[in-house]
Amino acid sequence: NAGVTQTPKFRILKIGQSMTLQCTQDMNHNYMYWYRQDPGMGLKLIYYSVGAGITDKGEVPNGYNVSRSTTEDFPLRLELAAPSQTSVYFCASTANGGDSNQPQHFGDGTRLSIL
Amino acid sequence: GEDVEQSLFLSVREGDSSVINCTYTDSSSTYLYWYKQEPGAGLQLLTYIFSNMDMKQDQRLTVLLNKKDKHLSLRIADTQTGDSAIYFCAETSRGGNKLTFGTGTQLKVEL
Repeated sequence: NAGVTQTPKFRILKIGQSMTLQCTQDMNHNYMYWYRQDPGMGLKLIYYSVGAGITDKGEVPNGYNVSRSTTEDFPLRLELAAPSQTSVYFCASTANGGDSNQPQHFGDGTRLSIL
Repeated sequence: GEDVEQSLFLSVREGDSSVINCTYTDSSSTYLYWYKQEPGAGLQLLTYIFSNMDMKQDQRLTVLLNKKDKHLSLRIADTQTGDSAIYFCAETSRGGNKLTFGTGTQLKVEL
């Protein structure tokens, strides 16, 4: 099993450009999450999904959009890239919700710079 | 909302014990977790503790939970250079769909 796969690993964008960060998992997990990680700030939840067709906002959703048309895929879209969105983005998935001893499985991250 | 706090840095010598501390505010937390992040990688679950437990031991790792003070700690015995990483504590509450992560503690192990 590949687990959680994120693409691309690195990307540099110009201000105002758009892009989609891809995330796919092959574990048939219902729950999927997008986080951003900034130095000294830990992980902040952007959006999450509890199943195909259902998405919810996290702590920092502004400037991002998501969709969940299949169980496997949970893409994150930046429509108008801004320097404040320079960060490392992690996708994660889990079989059950947070109230469980099932861990979240993380991808290796996408390092995004907006110049 | 929920808040989880950690100190940012810890430096220890190889062979010593490391203790990483975490405080949280959500009194309804059910599971508390420790994740490890190595450079350039995602987070991996190290261990977890259910809120009705005080202690959990797993080889070199000991987790202590003081629910009254909302304080969680991770002790790593005989710390090795391979333990150098960022350690995150995280918590979730009953019925919750998501985790709240701490800011992470960078552990540096010196020879």
